[in-house]
Amino acid sequence: NAGVTQTPKFQVLKTGQSMTLQCAQDMNHNSMYWYRQDPGMGLRLIYYSASEGTTDKGEVPNGYNVSRLNKREFSLRLESAAPSQTSVYFCASRPQGRGHNEQFFGPGTRLTVL
Amino acid sequence: AQSVTQLGSHVSVSEGALVLLRCNYSSSVPPYLFWYVQYPNQGLQLLLKYTTGATLVKGINGFEAEFKKSETSFHLTKPSAHMSDAAEYFCAVSDWGQNFVFGPGTRLSVLP
Repeated sequence: NAGVTQTPKFQVLKTGQSMTLQCAQDMNHNSMYWYRQDPGMGLRLIYYSASEGTTDKGEVPNGYNVSRLNKREFSLRLESAAPSQTSVYFCASRPQGRGHNEQFFGPGTRLTVL
Repeated sequence: AQSVTQLGSHVSVSEGALVLLRCNYSSSVPPYLFWYVQYPNQGLQLLLKYTTGATLVKGINGFEAEFKKSETSFHLTKPSAHMSDAAEYFCAVSDWGQNFVFGPGTRLSVLP
């Protein structure tokens, strides 16, 4: 099992460019999440998907869109990148949205917006 | 609403010394509690979790944590620090559903 995979690992964008971060999991998990991690701010939830076909906003959704393509894949799109979106982005999955289940994380995507 | 606080954004200990990382939570329902570790340039990895039952939970790499309901705490400890323990540690709380809240993290440095 590869677990949670993310592509790309690194990306540099110019202000106004768009891009899609890809995430896939092979653990047959129902729930998937996108976080951003900034120094001193911990992890902040951008969007999550409780199950295939559903998505919901998290704490910091502005400037992002998501697509739950199927049970395995959950992508994050920046339509018009801004320097404030420079961050490390993590995707995570969880068996079900039950409290006792932990989240499993991918290795992250480091994004720089110039 | 749930929340997590971690006292000390940066903790330094000497190799072989006790590691104590503090976590306090607020939750309106009985919580599920987690500790994650993040090594440089990597994703988060589960160290241990408390769901129900025994309040002293043992995890990987010699870490353990004790759930104290009266103190709303879930502090992480390790008797003897190793250089390889240098990382960032996150406490998290979950309720019965989708809500999963992380603390701000504590960076642990281990001095030779």
